[in-house]
Amino acid sequence: AQTVTQSQPEMSVQEAETVTLSCTYDTSESDYYLFWYKQPPSRQMILVIRQEAYKQQNATENRFSVNFQKAAKSFSLKISDSQLGDAAMYFCAYRSALNTGTASKLTFGTGTRLQVTL
Amino acid sequence: SQTIHQWPATLVQPVGSPLSLECTVEGTSNPNLYWYRQAAGRGLQLLFYSVGIGQISSEVPQNLSASRPQDRQFILSSKKLLLSDSGFYLCAWTPRDRDREKLFFGSGTQLSVL
Repeated sequence: AQTVTQSQPEMSVQEAETVTLSCTYDTSESDYYLFWYKQPPSRQMILVIRQEAYKQQNATENRFSVNFQKAAKSFSLKISDSQLGDAAMYFCAYRSALNTGTASKLTFGTGTRLQVTL
Repeated sequence: SQTIHQWPATLVQPVGSPLSLECTVEGTSNPNLYWYRQAAGRGLQLLFYSVGIGQISSEVPQNLSASRPQDRQFILSSKKLLLSDSGFYLCAWTPRDRDREKLFFGSGTQLSVL
């Protein structure tokens, strides 16, 4: 079974600075998807960014980018120019690419709480 | 555009009472539907998923059950709640056409069993 590990329970960053959240995963599969989800105080889970394992290019979404290291099974999230609204829990998640036509079962890490200070 | 509705937002129930949480999706047809639970300070655990009406798959044996009586309706139930059923419950869906791996969540229900 796949596992996802987020070793940083809490992180803090100053407004306008850059922060990197770590995620490692364990799988024997070669094709899969990786995700970062944000859970703000409202507790609604919001998809931040997605990476397909067969793509070597790192995904980017505005101020959010990932560093995907397939051999090391590492998938970190970089937030540039941090804003107060970025304060949230961030979850890393894994999804096998097998049977993509059926249910999309994600395995989540335990999350990293990000604080943004002035 | 697609939206997902989940209610109630907060629920306090005594041990041994029944439970019914409801989730509906609008703006799409034949979605895959999911129930996740988030225990305090932990990640999300998949409880049930459904790929069609009446089709329910359980990921974790427990005191809960799920049903899908209509294409875009997903219900989480229990006949008798336990203290350990407390948590934050999230309904989610994935599309059938493009972006099938993307999971979209409802706003959640905070369940406290006392």
